[in-house]
Amino acid sequence: AQTVTQSQPEMSVQEAETVTLSCTYDTSESDYYLFWYKQPPSRQMILVIRQEAYKQQNATENRFSVNFQKAAKSFSLKISDSQLGDAAMYFCAYRARSGYALNFGKGTSLLVTP
Amino acid sequence: NAGVTQTPKFQVLKTGQSMTLQCAQDMNHNSMYWYRQDPGMGLRLIYYSASEGTTDKGEVPNGYNVSRLNKREFSLRLESAAPSQTSVYFCASSPWSPISGANVLTFGAGSRLTVL
Repeated sequence: AQTVTQSQPEMSVQEAETVTLSCTYDTSESDYYLFWYKQPPSRQMILVIRQEAYKQQNATENRFSVNFQKAAKSFSLKISDSQLGDAAMYFCAYRARSGYALNFGKGTSLLVTP
Repeated sequence: NAGVTQTPKFQVLKTGQSMTLQCAQDMNHNSMYWYRQDPGMGLRLIYYSASEGTTDKGEVPNGYNVSRLNKREFSLRLESAAPSQTSVYFCASSPWSPISGANVLTFGAGSRLTVL
C-alpha cells in the first residue's frame, strides 16, 4: 500500500514571503501522479497543482511550484508571494497510474499573517 | 456548472439510526468516490466505483454500503450509525479511464455528519 506523509502539521508564513510544505511518499510503482489540494475554511477541496512522475520538469501554476525528487520520493509545494487567501489546509496526494483513487496525507495547516 | 452535488450538507443522527448520503455529478465522469475526513487523519477512502455497475472497498469500508445507481449518482448508506462515524464526508468524481492521464478528482462540498 502506498503511504503519503506530511511531517508538518502546521506552518506559518508572513504575507508576501515564501513557504515550502513538505510531502514524502512510499511506493513501489514507477509511474504515478502526485497532487496538492487546498482546503480553505469553506471545506471545498481545490486542486492546486499536479505532477506526473515520468516528467522530470517540476510543475508550476502561477505562484505555486513543486520540487519533485523522484529518487527521494519527495514532493514539496512552494508558495511564493504568499497571500492571506492562501491560508488553508493543504493535502498532498498520490495515485498510481493504474490505480483509481487518491491516497492523501494528513495535511498541513498554513497560517498567513499580515 | 453544478459539478458534484452532495446532500444533505449537515445531519445529526442518534446511534443506531440509518441514513443515506446522496451524491450526483453532471460531468459525465466514469469514476466516483466516497471519502471521510477526520481531524488529523486527512481524507480516507471508504468506497469507490470505477465505472457504472462496479463498486469496491477502500481503506475504511466497515459500517458503510454504497450504490452506484447510474453513471451520475453514487450513494453512501450508514445502516446503523455509530459515534465513530461522526465525520465530514466527501463525494468526488473523475473521468478515469485506463489510458487517460492524471484523472483529477472533483470534489463535492462535503457533508458533516454527527452521530450522538
